[in-house]
Amino acid sequence: EDQVTQSPEALRLQEGESSSLNCSYTVSGLRGLFWYRQDPGKGPEFLFTLYSAGEEKEKERLKATLTKKESFLHITAPKPEDSATYLCAVQEPGNEKLTFGTGTRLTIIP
Amino acid sequence: GAVVSQHPSRVICKSGTSVKIECRSLDFQATTMFWYRQFPKQSLMLMATSNEGSKATYEQGVEKDKFLINHASLTLSTLTVTSAHPEDSSFYICSARAGARYEQYFGPGTRLTVT
Repeated sequence: EDQVTQSPEALRLQEGESSSLNCSYTVSGLRGLFWYRQDPGKGPEFLFTLYSAGEEKEKERLKATLTKKESFLHITAPKPEDSATYLCAVQEPGNEKLTFGTGTRLTIIP
Repeated sequence: GAVVSQHPSRVICKSGTSVKIECRSLDFQATTMFWYRQFPKQSLMLMATSNEGSKATYEQGVEKDKFLINHASLTLSTLTVTSAHPEDSSFYICSARAGARYEQYFGPGTRLTVT
């Protein structure tokens, strides 16, 4: 059975304090790993797709990396507006469904 | 690009009535649309997958006669919650995927409250 585990469950950082969020996955095959940001009461916002180990993607203060077993979302010098829940999801070949992790709730304190 | 809208954003209905939620892809053609349900502080739970012009595929445990899904065009899918009960109160979110791409783009969600 596919499993996606995110850690930590919650993370509080001071503004400017860099850190990383983890997404570990167990699938029989990986078509893609996706990162989303979700604000309270809103739908998830697409951030990145990673397809193969060693791949990296960047957007502003966020950088996503992928290995064969896990992905990291690195956040550099975060700002209060980066506060949100970050979700990762995996998709297997031949399957349209995404399997989501339970998310990391990130709070950036001014 | 890749904008998905949902309507309504909030709805309150009485127990026993039916509610329809619309999901539209505004700037792309969505070959596949998905409907999710999310409980407070929990992750997204997939309810069903629909392809344009085909019957929806429901996840195990989701009642297809209660949650009617129609994907009539490449830009519109609807979810109708029939004979709603208080336990159906939840946050419903749709997503859409364009044919050649793998990522799903999500709508803003619909908060359903059944009284």
